[in-house]
Amino acid sequence: EAQVTQNPRYLITVTGKKLTVTCSQNMNHEYMSWYRQDPGLGLRQIYYSMNVEVTDKGDVPEGYKVSRKEKRNFPLILESPSPNQTSLYFCASSGGHQPQHFGDGTRLSIL
Amino acid sequence: QKEVEQDPGPLSVPEGAIVSLNCTYSNSAFQYFMWYRQYSRKGPELLMYTYSSGNKEDGRFTAQVDKSSKYISLFIRDSQPSDSATYLCAMSSTTSGTYKYIFGTGTRLKVLA
Repeated sequence: EAQVTQNPRYLITVTGKKLTVTCSQNMNHEYMSWYRQDPGLGLRQIYYSMNVEVTDKGDVPEGYKVSRKEKRNFPLILESPSPNQTSLYFCASSGGHQPQHFGDGTRLSIL
Repeated sequence: QKEVEQDPGPLSVPEGAIVSLNCTYSNSAFQYFMWYRQYSRKGPELLMYTYSSGNKEDGRFTAQVDKSSKYISLFIRDSQPSDSATYLCAMSSTTSGTYKYIFGTGTRLKVLA
């Protein structure tokens, strides 16, 4: 089954404790991206990757890092999380300039 | 001004009604237009995908794009309680070899049995 898998689905943590949210897709897609979804603000892109070793900032990259060492994986790293990063996060992928497929989300709470 | 405007709702309709959901946008470079459905605690799921202006029909769903007015619509015929969800419009363009995707904030729809 074609899918985008995110882990963990839920995480409660404390300010300053480094965390990584993993994302993996099994569709051999070149394009992968991370979004955060906040009430009233919709989906905002954090980072995206056009292919392996090619990443770039989206609209809200501050406080986040990504890497793309393999085509299927695109982890999101919060090196020093802060409460304003409490949000619902989605990973997505697409083959070229096609509609994106989304994971089921990671709900992150930072105390 | 936001690049994409979408009424957040909520929109409540009786079962069997025709639902009309809309988005307006400002960037004439958008080439691809999408509608996603998002259920609670799930990721957005692609419903419809169109390129440029025109209509596209898939079962009970019809997507319309009017590039001259920068206006897109999704119509749901014979709405069902299972259609209750948040509907997101999305648009994309290619710029300098990269893909730009923009999403509306979503319209919450409730179909009452």
